[in-house]
Amino acid sequence: DAGVTQSPTHLIKTRGQQVTLRCSPKSGHDTVSWYQQALGQGPQFIFQYYEEEERQRGNFPDRFSGHQFPNYSSELNVNALLLGDSALYLCASTRQGHYEQYFGPGTRLTVT
Amino acid sequence: AQTVTQSQPEMSVQEAETVTLSCTYDTSESDYYLFWYKQPPSRQMILVIRQEAYKQQNATENRFSVNFQKAAKSFSLKISDSQLGDAAMYFCAYRITTTYSQGGSEKLVFGKGTKLTVNP
Repeated sequence: DAGVTQSPTHLIKTRGQQVTLRCSPKSGHDTVSWYQQALGQGPQFIFQYYEEEERQRGNFPDRFSGHQFPNYSSELNVNALLLGDSALYLCASTRQGHYEQYFGPGTRLTVT
Repeated sequence: AQTVTQSQPEMSVQEAETVTLSCTYDTSESDYYLFWYKQPPSRQMILVIRQEAYKQQNATENRFSVNFQKAAKSFSLKISDSQLGDAAMYFCAYRITTTYSQGGSEKLVFGKGTKLTVNP
């Protein structure tokens, strides 16, 4: 039973560029959440997707957008990258109505 | 607004000893979930233990147990018989849910974490 997977593992981008991160949820899960974890901080909620719709959004600008596909996988897109976007991006999945979120290994994004 | 505070940026413990990590939270809700997550250097966030607020009994998972004080809004994690593999960042988290009319979603609010070092 595969857990939550994310790709790529690491990514280096330049300011102003755009990036897409990908997440495949754990088998049987239908809900995907994205978190940003800056160095030395706890994860911060970006948004959650269920039934291909954004259900809730954290305090992040519109440069952060996402998508969920019919197979429940998800993408996180960040436009016009800033140095401050450098962080570990975590994807978590759950099954609607269940309380436990399972996390992926994350994508380390470095913006130079 | 719901907040989670971990007042100990770093803790250390001798192998086989017991250590307690502190967490306090702020909420106006009466029913909620609290979690402790472990994040080793591999970065994978792993669920250690959970507590449902409506349960008075403290949760226990093998060597891990919590001291849940609902009135004080305190949720500490006790690790008994510490092992070298317990060394990691530990995050306390609070689960916030919205009603179906508000989207029927949930999110976790995390503290800043406590770095636990286990000395041989």
